[in-house]
Amino acid sequence: NIVLTQSPATLSVTPGESVSLSCRASQSISTSIHWYQQKSNESPRLLIKYASQSISGIPSRFSGSGSGTDFTLSINRVESEDFSIYYCQQSYSSLYTFGSGTKLEIK
Amino acid sequence: EVQLVESGGGLVQPGRSLKLSCAASGFTFSNYYMAWVRQAPKKGLEWVATISTSGSRTYYPDSVKGRFTISRDNAKSSLYLQMNSLKSEDTATYYCARRQSSYSSRGCYFDYWGQGVMVTVSS
Repeated sequence: NIVLTQSPATLSVTPGESVSLSCRASQSISTSIHWYQQKSNESPRLLIKYASQSISGIPSRFSGSGSGTDFTLSINRVESEDFSIYYCQQSYSSLYTFGSGTKLEIK
Repeated sequence: EVQLVESGGGLVQPGRSLKLSCAASGFTFSNYYMAWVRQAPKKGLEWVATISTSGSRTYYPDSVKGRFTISRDNAKSSLYLQMNSLKSEDTATYYCARRQSSYSSRGCYFDYWGQGVMVTVSS
């Protein structure tokens, strides 16, 4: 199975700061990585598909980059509604796997 | 508006069975692969099963293979998950999700999710 390692596990920031969340794959997966946001007691929401492709309705402050094994979700100027958990998911293998998540919390 | 509504969760004893349902609306159900994804309490997401548009092809991770069966009824726009020989580690919120793909990129993602249904396996 392809293992996804997300770092850091927790990121404490002040609203207005810009942040980068990392997702590393155990083998090269091209750009077959997708990012989700999960707020407390809610279902996951798709943020970015195929490493860097935007999703309709998602604020432009969210962006993704990377290919191969290293991927980044960037949030430009974090807003209060962005404090939640972020997961990456790979679909290079049909045995889909998720990362363990990065919790973005208020400093 | 795409809607996915799960039902059928609850408390079940280890070794018993439970069947989850997901009612879909707002899109042509028969055109999409569908999936189940679960989340144990305070844990991350784990993909559980995928089914093709016709239902002829199904996919599972090793953790549930042989115990769980995904199925669908396109006439009713409904997705199901039959869970047998349940274990305590199957305790989780189970989400129904629509799988989406791209002609130009490899692999698929989950673009719509239900609200989830809780399954607790305990004696």
